[in-house]
Amino acid sequence: GENVEQHPSTLSVQEGDSAVIKCTYSDSASNYFPWYKQELGKRPQLIIDIRSNVGEKKDQRIAVTLNKTAKHFSLHITETQPEDSAVYFCAVPFNQAGTALIFGKGTTLSVSS
Amino acid sequence: NAGVTQTPKFRVLKTGQSMTLLCAQDMNHEYMYWYRQDPGMGLRLIHYSVGEGTTAKGEVPDGYNVSRLKKQNFLLGLESAAPSQTSVYFCASRYVLASSEQYFGPGTRLTVT
Repeated sequence: GENVEQHPSTLSVQEGDSAVIKCTYSDSASNYFPWYKQELGKRPQLIIDIRSNVGEKKDQRIAVTLNKTAKHFSLHITETQPEDSAVYFCAVPFNQAGTALIFGKGTTLSVSS
Repeated sequence: NAGVTQTPKFRVLKTGQSMTLLCAQDMNHEYMYWYRQDPGMGLRLIHYSVGEGTTAKGEVPDGYNVSRLKKQNFLLGLESAAPSQTSVYFCASRYVLASSEQYFGPGTRLTVT
């Protein structure tokens, strides 16, 4: 079955720095790659996603890049702010039908001011 | 719209007791999911449903049962609770389209002593 690995597990940056989180997946047929953000005590929420027919997608300070050949995708956050502090999860389809998602183990991002 | 709601918010069980967690959504979503979240383990898919009357196993289905008798509700049952089932349980739902956002409920914190 599909498997997804996420690194690093923790990341500490200074306000204004950039942060990069990477996920590697196993099923080359996967075609949808979302990122979710979970603030402390809250539910996960989608922040950005990408489909396999594009290599990069940006939304203000966040971007996702996809390398299908190497089977990895990354979340990039520029000009980090304290409110970016949260746990970030990548996800991939659980099966080829894409009826469910499985998630990486998460990255705890801490932004200090 | 209330979105995705979960009942109860907190529960403490003794080993061997049974209970049912209720998830309800008012967005007319076809797909519904149950995940568990443990420190350092991310979100793990327990069971999911692609429509009323259907259920399917996820990554970690053992010890749990589910039912989807109505489109808007998805029940997660623990027949004989074990301390290893101590976790935060999240329900989620989404539309059929594979790239649709998954909307999560607020979570249920379950402790099994």
